[in-house]
Amino acid sequence: ETGVTQTPRHLVMGMTNKKSLKCEQHLGHNAMYWYKQSAKKPLELMFVYNFKEQTENNSVPSRFSPECPNSSHLFLHLHTLQPEDSALYLCASSQVEVQSNYGYTFGSGTRLTVV
Amino acid sequence: AQKVTQAQTEISVVEKEDVTLDCVYETRDTTYYLFWYKQPPSGELVFLIRRNSFDEQNEISGRYSWNFQKSTSSFNFTITASQVVDSAVYFCALSEDNTDKLIFGTGTRLQVFP
Repeated sequence: ETGVTQTPRHLVMGMTNKKSLKCEQHLGHNAMYWYKQSAKKPLELMFVYNFKEQTENNSVPSRFSPECPNSSHLFLHLHTLQPEDSALYLCASSQVEVQSNYGYTFGSGTRLTVV
Repeated sequence: AQKVTQAQTEISVVEKEDVTLDCVYETRDTTYYLFWYKQPPSGELVFLIRRNSFDEQNEISGRYSWNFQKSTSSFNFTITASQVVDSAVYFCALSEDNTDKLIFGTGTRLQVFP
């Protein structure tokens, strides 16, 4: 078990469903991220939260809605998804400090299939 | 603009062979950070190493070693005497100074056969 926990591990949803992905970090980090990993494509950064404030939204469609209620929890709310949204969704956390970068700790991901 | 290129999509080796995974990066910053991550079949990306741009010393950790060459903008990763458990997708990543964003390469899938 890593310091970043994602649930569920697998999710199958229809295009009209609404579901949420959950991420929790136990490392005391101050930043959290959502990445999308599709087959044969680079990891795509979707959202960045720094001290609970969203600092980045990389042109992600509005059918993906993030929520960060505190520095330990991050959600990704999903609604009216498309089949091309099927992917592995990875959550990560990091400790952001001035003039340093220690990299991310990743969760195990949620494998999402949209049918 | 920053970019990471991992030209090798897939590599297959037989156990005990040495294998080198290539990583070439582009950045305009003089201060930046380079990373390698391993993604086993279970899915999570596991941190392997972090290197800042001012530290060109090569590093060895057990069977793993990293060769950082600023002159060629490369940060290559070598596994010595590979084992089946090394089978995974390996990602190289770059982060520029004053940003916490990691830009990843497309990854190299390594298969080690017994």
